[in-house]
Amino acid sequence: DTGVSQDPRHKITKRGQNVTFRCDPISEHNRLYWYRQTLGQGPEFLTYFQNEAQLEKSRLLSDRFSAERPKGSFSTLEIQRTEQGDSAMYLCASSLRGGTTWNYGYTFGSGTRLTVV
Amino acid sequence: GDSVTQMEGPVTLSEEAFLTINCTYTATGYPSLFWYVQYPGEGLQLLLKATKADDKGSNKGFEATYRKETTSFHLEKGSVQVSDSAVYFCALADTGRRALTFGSGTRLQVQP
Repeated sequence: DTGVSQDPRHKITKRGQNVTFRCDPISEHNRLYWYRQTLGQGPEFLTYFQNEAQLEKSRLLSDRFSAERPKGSFSTLEIQRTEQGDSAMYLCASSLRGGTTWNYGYTFGSGTRLTVV
Repeated sequence: GDSVTQMEGPVTLSEEAFLTINCTYTATGYPSLFWYVQYPGEGLQLLLKATKADDKGSNKGFEATYRKETTSFHLEKGSVQVSDSAVYFCALADTGRRALTFGSGTRLQVQP
């Protein structure tokens, strides 16, 4: 297992187009997270899944954003009608459920860099 | 809401110098605290963590102590190396939440 994989690494799209990113978590991890990171800032939480259930969504996740995790394995993040403000690094992370305390940190992928022109 | 404040960078040090990167937080519950590191061209990696007050997290010569009284989690290393050059992020996870709240990051540049 080589960690969390994200595809593509880079995506350039024209404003108004739809884009979809994929994340493959570590196989035994049942929690999966999406974050967005803009230049010079820390990552901001978007949403998270436990198995196939989407349990929390940030207010940053507008109606143009949708995330899925069918069968509790890989996940996709789709952005419809992209805007220039969507340009950012989109990070995926996974973790193993470890009780009520943070015995395990996240493992992050290398991210997908989106540029909207 | 939750927030994390880090000292602004870049921090530029000579090799073998002592490092401190300040981090303070605001949280409504009893958060767990983390330091993540991002090397150039790579993803975020967990550096160390502390889950309750007075815990000390340590890894690769880095240390941070969870200080509830000052709501701080400062990162320290006694002798930095060029290979430590990276961006360091302080983060918290508040009680019962799965989401992490990150600071804006501090870039460390170590010169030989």
